[in-house]
Formats: sequence, structure tokens, C-alpha cells
Amino acid sequence: KQEVTQIPAALSVPEGENLVLNCSFTDSAIYNLQWFRQDPGKGLTSLLLIQSSQREQTSGRLNASLDKSSGRSTLYIAASQPGDSATYLCAVGMNRDDKIIFGKGTRLHILP
Amino acid sequence: SQTIHQWPATLVQPVGSPLSLECTVEGTSNPNLYWYRQAAGRGLQLLFYSVGIGQISSEVPQNLSASRPQDRQFILSSKKLLLSDSGFYLCAWSPQGRGYTFGSGTRLTVV
Repeated sequence: KQEVTQIPAALSVPEGENLVLNCSFTDSAIYNLQWFRQDPGKGLTSLLLIQSSQREQTSGRLNASLDKSSGRSTLYIAASQPGDSATYLCAVGMNRDDKIIFGKGTRLHILP
Repeated sequence: SQTIHQWPATLVQPVGSPLSLECTVEGTSNPNLYWYRQAAGRGLQLLFYSVGIGQISSEVPQNLSASRPQDRQFILSSKKLLLSDSGFYLCAWSPQGRGYTFGSGTRLTVV
């Protein structure tokens, strides 16, 4: 059974710092991996989708990497801003038509 | 472009009352559709998913049911709400393996 873990559960960093959020999964036979952002009381916003054949994806200040063999993905946020404060969720898809499995998220707070 | 609509945004219902939450997707056909629940301080729990009209898979036994009467419509229902049904309900769609897009969610409070 696939399990997705995100460490740390919460993180506070000063504005301007670069930071890395971690996601690990127990079954490396994934189809894809997606990073989401959730603001308090809001829905989930997709940030980056990495297919199993890809190593990384980039969007603006965000870069997500995938290492299937080690069961890990990282989300790198450059030059953090207070507006980046949110909960970041990692989710793994095991095949084309099936459900995705979520981690419990990392709650990020950027200190002004 | 594809969009997903979910309503209502908030709902306060008494225990024992019925529930109907609706989700529709525009700009695509034959999407996979999903209902998730997020309880306070907890992770996302998959409740139901559907790969086609009338095809519903339930992930957890519970007081809720789902239906897909049309290709792009997904409905979450209950005949009698329980206090434990309170939570944040999210609908999502996926074009078969190309990532998920979530709706804005419904905050349900059962009193």
C-alpha cells in the first residue's frame, strides 16, 4: 500500500530565504506526482505535475524534482515571500485512471 | 479552457437533514471525477471517484453516497447527516493521468 509522507509538518523561515519541502513515498512504481498549495479555508491549487518519466518541473520560483528510485520528491521555493505562506501538499498517482494518494502536507510560514 | 464549479461554498445543516453537493466540469469530456473530505486538522480523505456516467467507486463505508447522472456532473448526497459529516468537501477532476484540478470546496457544518 502506497504511503506518502511530508516532513516537516510545519516550517517557518524568514522572507527571502530559499527553502526545500520534502515528500517521500513507499512504492516507487508511480505514474505521476503533483504538488499543490492550499490557503486556509480554500481549495487546492495545482503547482507542478511531474510524470514518472520526468526528473523535474519548473514554474517561476518553484522547482519540483522527482527521484523515483529513492521514493522522493522535493519542492524548492526560491526567494521566499510572505505570500508563499500556505500548506503545501504532495500527491502521488499510481496509474492513469486511479486515485491519487496525498501526504498530510507541510504548513509553511514566511516571516516578513 | 476547463473549469470546475462546486457549490455551495458554505452550508450549515441540522443533524438528520439531507445533503446534496454538486460539482460540474466544463470544457472537457469523460473526465475522472472525485470527492474528497478534509476534516479539521486532518489530511485529505478520498470518498468517491468515478471514471464514467453511473460508475461510482466508494473508498470508505459511510453515511454518504455519490452519483454521476451526466458526464460532467458529480453529486455528493446524504439522506440523514451526522455530526461527524462536518468538514471541507472538495471535488476534483482529472483528464486521465494528467493531474488533478480541484474545485473551491464546500464548508459543511452539521449542527
